[in-house]
Amino acid sequence: GENVEQHPSTLSVQEGDSAVIKCTYSDSASNYFPWYKQELGKRPQLIIDIRSNVGEKKDQRIAVTLNKTAKHFSLHITETQPEDSAVYFCAVSGGSYIPTFGRGTSLIVHP
Amino acid sequence: GAGVSQSPSNKVTEKGKDVELRCDPISGHTALYWYRQSLGQGLEFLIYFQGNSAPDKSGLPSDRFSAERTGGSVSTLTIQRTQQEDSAVYLCASSFGQGVTDTQYFGPGTRLTVL
Repeated sequence: GENVEQHPSTLSVQEGDSAVIKCTYSDSASNYFPWYKQELGKRPQLIIDIRSNVGEKKDQRIAVTLNKTAKHFSLHITETQPEDSAVYFCAVSGGSYIPTFGRGTSLIVHP
Repeated sequence: GAGVSQSPSNKVTEKGKDVELRCDPISGHTALYWYRQSLGQGLEFLIYFQGNSAPDKSGLPSDRFSAERTGGSVSTLTIQRTQQEDSAVYLCASSFGQGVTDTQYFGPGTRLTVL
């Protein structure tokens, strides 16, 4: 089955800095790569996704890049703000209807 | 419109008791997923329902776990003879069920504590 690794597990940055979270996957048939944000005590919510026919997608301060050859994709957050503090999960699907999630990255943005 | 809802929000039970967790998906969503989230862990897939098809139960950790979905809408996850290692947040998600790129919408979860 699919194996997804997410790094780092914890990321601490100063407000205004950039943050990058990376996920690697194993199944070359995978073709959909969403990112979810889960604030403390809240439900996970989709923040951005990318499909395998695209190398990069941007939405205001967040972007996702995909390298299908190397089987990894990354979430980039620029000009971080304290409200960006949350746990971020990557997910991978396509070989199956059932997504495989990374273990999450706890992002802490210090004011 | 209304999002995915789950009940109860919190459940404390004694080891050995049975529990039922409920999920109300978004109206019109044919796909429904159950996940388990342990402290500091990712989302562990449990079971997947799609329309009237037989569910994919490949993620259920033991035969103490079962789930059903009545009328293609509400789903109930049942855990029999609960154990302390069952303590976790149980999340439900639904989607339109049109393909692997469907956005999943999560419920708020049920926090289960087994004493």
